[in-house]
Amino acid sequence: QKEVEQNSGPLSVPEGAIASLNCTYSDRGSQSFFWYRQYSGKSPELIMFIYSNGDKEDGRFTAQLNKASQYVSLLIRDSQPSDSATYLCAVSHGGGFKTIFGAGTRLFVKA
Amino acid sequence: EAQVTQNPRYLITVTGKKLTVTCSQNMNHEYMSWYRQDPGLGLRQIYYSMNVEVTDKGDVPEGYKVSRKEKRNFPLILESPSPNQTSLYFCASTPLAGKTDTQYFGPGTRLTVL
Repeated sequence: QKEVEQNSGPLSVPEGAIASLNCTYSDRGSQSFFWYRQYSGKSPELIMFIYSNGDKEDGRFTAQLNKASQYVSLLIRDSQPSDSATYLCAVSHGGGFKTIFGAGTRLFVKA
Repeated sequence: EAQVTQNPRYLITVTGKKLTVTCSQNMNHEYMSWYRQDPGLGLRQIYYSMNVEVTDKGDVPEGYKVSRKEKRNFPLILESPSPNQTSLYFCASTPLAGKTDTQYFGPGTRLTVL
């Protein structure tokens, strides 16, 4: 079982819709959770991080964390074609020294 | 401009020929890390460094070496590259070890080992 799992996609949504990206992790000791966006041929860019159970909102992005279910998600409201990218879920163990990434979900927003 | 730089950006080499990929950051960050990215596998951590002269293995350290003699530099060394090390490599840095909520990535180095 992979430590961090994501559906590889592609996930296709129409412009203006809500895109929902999901991630599960296996280590219950994980304490920090991140979402990165990566455009083709580019380096990952951090868009959200969350440490506590519940929701965290930043503009059109909402990260949701449920430690009991070992589940973290990212919602993108009012999706735009410029949101088309691969979204990487990452998890850090206590101390944040080692970071485990999922393989990523490709999102395609249709104009 | 705050940034992480990597050199070279592209490299084609042959099996067994030692190479070094440099990584430098100008933000005085304590924590630096190397990752490789392969299709379907995502980013996998190779080595990380919490500060000068402090390094530790990530998940896939075999075949790689690192050093951290200065805070700004964290080179990745492949003593005897093999074709299975063909990959896209990213260096990253963070202001404080244990606080990865502001991790900055370099532009990547695409390595091909023939």
